[in-house]
Amino acid sequence: RKEVEQDPGPFNVPEGATVAFNCTYSNSASQSFFWYRQDCRKEPKLLMSVYSSGNEDGRFTAQLNRASQYISLLIRDSKLSDSATYLCAVRMDTDKLIFGTGTRLQVFP
Amino acid sequence: DVKVTQSSRYLVKRTGEKVFLECVQDMDHENMFWYRQDPGLGLRLIYFSYDVKMKEKGDIPEGYSVSREKKERFSLILESASTNQTSMYLCASSNPIAGGDYEQYFGPGTRLTVT
Repeated sequence: RKEVEQDPGPFNVPEGATVAFNCTYSNSASQSFFWYRQDCRKEPKLLMSVYSSGNEDGRFTAQLNRASQYISLLIRDSKLSDSATYLCAVRMDTDKLIFGTGTRLQVFP
Repeated sequence: DVKVTQSSRYLVKRTGEKVFLECVQDMDHENMFWYRQDPGLGLRLIYFSYDVKMKEKGDIPEGYSVSREKKERFSLILESASTNQTSMYLCASSNPIAGGDYEQYFGPGTRLTVT
């Protein structure tokens, strides 16, 4: 079983739709969780950290479910510019991150 | 703005050649990382350095070595390039995690083709 797993997609959604991705992790000792965004042929960039209480940044909401060992990312009112690959990342007890393989989102007009 | 730069965006090398990939960061970060990214496999850590001259193997160190002689520079070396090392190589840097805040900053990547 992979340490961090994501549905590769693609998720094809119309503009204005709400879309959600999940990411499961296998190690219950995982300490920190993140969502990164990667545009085609570009480097990953931090979208948001995921806190235990859940957190929101504009149209984006991230949540952590420790009991079921997954994190989620919800995007409301999708824009064409949201089209990208979304990578989840998990940190154990060092500064190293373990990345999922990413979920591709395509928003169409 | 944090900046991580990599020496080349595209590189083509022949099998058996020695290859150097350079990465420089300008934010005085203590940690530096080398990853490779392949379709369906995602980002995989090759090596990690948490201080000058300090290094730690990642998940796939075979066939690679690294050098960190200065804090801002982290080099990845392919001693004898092979075709299965054709990939996108991404460098990243970060400070140690503190107070729950943590971010790795990535360079633009080097697409290496070994023929």
